[in-house]
Amino acid sequence: DGGITQSPKYLFRKEGQNVTLSCEQNLNHDAMYWYRQDPGQGLRLIYYSQIVNDFQKGDIAEGYSVSREKKESFPLTVTSAQKNPTAFYLCASSKWTSGAFSGANVLTFGAGSRLTVL
Amino acid sequence: DAKTTQPPSMDCAEGRAANLPCNHSTISGNEYVYWYRQIHSQGPQYIIHGLKNNETNEMASLIITEDRKSSTLILPHATLRDTAVYYCIVRSLSGGGADGLTFGKGTHLIIQP
Repeated sequence: DGGITQSPKYLFRKEGQNVTLSCEQNLNHDAMYWYRQDPGQGLRLIYYSQIVNDFQKGDIAEGYSVSREKKESFPLTVTSAQKNPTAFYLCASSKWTSGAFSGANVLTFGAGSRLTVL
Repeated sequence: DAKTTQPPSMDCAEGRAANLPCNHSTISGNEYVYWYRQIHSQGPQYIIHGLKNNETNEMASLIITEDRKSSTLILPHATLRDTAVYYCIVRSLSGGGADGLTFGKGTHLIIQP
């Protein structure tokens, strides 16, 4: 079945360590996204990528980095520069075509990765 | 993008229709209304979207007022599995729309047995 796979589901990290969260999709979607969610809050956009080898900062990109070397993969690195990294991280993907309604805003989400900094 | 206002929480009895309101009084003509839901500790799930006509699919119905300043998501026969946070989002398609959606705090719908 087509979908988005995030790994690991749970991750613990010591302060000062970088950690990379994996996101893979087999939906043939062009656009991919990373969101962060804190308890009782909505989702905040970290980074997004519309095509391979290109990505854009979202609302809270500081302390994070991404790459998009393949259409199917959009890994997120939480660096030591992120001051409060403990959160629930969600990856999503969507189609992207120009013109009339294209389904571009119909996002498919993964199950999430919960990162805890000790 | 237009801002949306939703009640923070609602209760509904199992088997009854759940009606979730959303106000978007500053919506513009090219903005769609989207609904997603998020079951605890899972990723959000797309439910339905609409521009100005009422829409229905296997999950829900979306009723948009004639002036488009508000909408209602209807779950016709709520079950316990419908307990979730429901997000109402308004978004245009400028630039292809592939720069993400803004998710607020949504409405926490609790289905009571």
